[in-house]
Amino acid sequence: EDKVVQSPLSLVVHEGDTVTLNCSYEVTNFRSLLWYKQEKKAPTFLFMLTSSGIEKKSGRLSSILDKKELFSILNITATQTGDSAIYLCATMDSSYKLIFGSGTRLLVRP
Amino acid sequence: SAVISQKPSRDICQRGTSLTIQCQVDSQVTMMFWYRQQPGQSLTLIATANQGSEATYESGFVIDKFPISRPNLTFSTLTVSNMSPEDSSIYLCSVEGIQGRGTDTQYFGPGTRLTVL
Repeated sequence: EDKVVQSPLSLVVHEGDTVTLNCSYEVTNFRSLLWYKQEKKAPTFLFMLTSSGIEKKSGRLSSILDKKELFSILNITATQTGDSAIYLCATMDSSYKLIFGSGTRLLVRP
Repeated sequence: SAVISQKPSRDICQRGTSLTIQCQVDSQVTMMFWYRQQPGQSLTLIATANQGSEATYESGFVIDKFPISRPNLTFSTLTVSNMSPEDSSIYLCSVEGIQGRGTDTQYFGPGTRLTVL
């Protein structure tokens, strides 16, 4: 059965800290891996990764995929209170269907 | 990204009734999906909404409970039928293949928060 596992489940840090969120997967017909940020209802798209070893960056956020070891990480540097959210990792299969992990709940304290 | 809207944004319903949720995109998209997020849980795919034909349902979801329509490339509806408190969730539509934006990136609508009493 396909599965996506995220760790840690929750994390509390102070502003300015750097955090690393983990996502491992076992998925048949893997196409790509996506990261989302969820603050209220709608997940907001962060990154889409298809190739191993190529880092994607957007401001203080970056992500990389390892297709050999079947995992991805999401890094957030110099965290701010506005980064507090649930971060979701999902894999996309050949039918464009997403399988989500349980998410990592990040709380950034002032 | 495309603008995706959902109506209603939230609703409180009585058990045994049905609710239809609408998802509208401001540009044509290749694929549309419906997801459910139960309280404290992650997102689970309900079905793929196929334009002009019956939706493709995931294991554990059936057409009688969650009828879906997709009459064109920009609009879809999900009905939650004969509701029970266990149907209380956030329902989200997502789109793939936005015109001019390529594939492999799904964007989500704002979601509908449903509470069943």
